[in-house]
Amino acid sequence: GEDVEQSLFLSVREGDSSVINCTYTDSSSTYLYWYKQEPGAGLQLLTYIFSNMDMKQDQRLTVLLNKKDKHLSLRIADTQTGDSAIYFCAESIRGGGFKTIFGAGTRLFVKA
Amino acid sequence: EAQVTQNPRYLITVTGKKLTVTCSQNMNHEYMSWYRQDPGLGLRQIYYSMNVEVTDKGDVPEGYKVSRKEKRNFPLILESPSPNQTSLYFCASSFSDRALLRTFGSGTRLTVV
Repeated sequence: GEDVEQSLFLSVREGDSSVINCTYTDSSSTYLYWYKQEPGAGLQLLTYIFSNMDMKQDQRLTVLLNKKDKHLSLRIADTQTGDSAIYFCAESIRGGGFKTIFGAGTRLFVKA
Repeated sequence: EAQVTQNPRYLITVTGKKLTVTCSQNMNHEYMSWYRQDPGLGLRQIYYSMNVEVTDKGDVPEGYKVSRKEKRNFPLILESPSPNQTSLYFCASSFSDRALLRTFGSGTRLTVV
């Protein structure tokens, strides 16, 4: 079935790079997303990548997609305390319209 | 300001007492959806609506109802809430179900005792 998995916690020091990983099972993915959720807030779309791309860079964010292994990663360069949040991986798949499947979220702790 | 507004933000209720969580968007989006967020499970879709008077079940629709009488509003109704519906609920909207620019509300934390 459709599933998106990610590790639940990641802790890094301020200034280091963070890498959040995600695996998905459905090969009919069209878009893959990273959302950020700050405490008490809804989800904010951080970045996305089309399934026919391998990499996308947007300022401090780098998204890598390995379609063969169904693996998606988000790298945050020069991680700041303001990056502390929960990061959700999500994929949109075809099948009777489009359906978006979310992972359980990775809580990123940034230590000063 | 373009936004999705949910009310209330927090709600504590008793088992069996009907409640409605409202959701309103001011972006003229056609697609709206409701999710619940539970620890370790991420977001699971409850119901979605492609347009006015068009609604369909998501992954976890049991115990919930929705309606879409107007484009901007998509209320979530719990006719007889139970403790297993204690969760954090999010409403979201977008121009289409492709979800590229989906906007989320701030969430409603519901506790059913």
